[in-house]
Amino acid sequence: SQQGEEDPQALSIQEGENATMNCSYKTSINNLQWYRQNSGRGLVHLILIRSNEREKHSGRLRVTLDTSKKSSSLLITASRAADTASYFCATDAGGNYGGSQGNLIFGKGTKLSVKP
Amino acid sequence: KAGVTQTPRYLIKTRGQQVTLSCSPISGHRSVSWYQQTPGQGLQFLFEYFSETQRNKGNFPGRFSGRQFSNSRSEMNVSTLELGDSALYLCASSFRQDAYGGYTFGSGTRLTVV
Repeated sequence: SQQGEEDPQALSIQEGENATMNCSYKTSINNLQWYRQNSGRGLVHLILIRSNEREKHSGRLRVTLDTSKKSSSLLITASRAADTASYFCATDAGGNYGGSQGNLIFGKGTKLSVKP
Repeated sequence: KAGVTQTPRYLIKTRGQQVTLSCSPISGHRSVSWYQQTPGQGLQFLFEYFSETQRNKGNFPGRFSGRQFSNSRSEMNVSTLELGDSALYLCASSFRQDAYGGYTFGSGTRLTVV
């Protein structure tokens, strides 16, 4: 079953603009991760935010996490045509002692199109 | 450093047949997970192995099985294929047991059942 729900389902912007994608989830999590997928290929890990963190940055990426609202957002600043891809949030409920048991639960994704 | 390698990349099988997919994780990674991706259901977790032990299993029928070898390479098997098994099958590996570094995915095996 899907845990994360991304919003919007599709987003089309011009190069140089910022792109914001949101993710909501239903149950308690250990961490939340964002992945990118180009045209049905493998997923690329972008960033991981732990349940006790509120914000994290990596290059042009900024992720926020609000555990009280069970939501997260991914901001891509100064987008480029190469950012065109599908973006997925994935939650990790964790296993014993805070570890992971590999069962990420993915949302349906946001399809981002960046026009040159 | 080599990434996660999945073989074969593409596969066409007939309904009723069985298939075995292979995944070689990044050297040193002991956790290997498998996911099925379809347009209708999205990405769904199949199972996860750590040091040859299946730690977790998704909600898939018993036709789907897997195993992990002592060198961390993993295989998944689907028996009695159905048309609905057509999908992209993705393998992911992680170094840490707690996977705080995230997972590295392979490029996937696209299975078509006719």
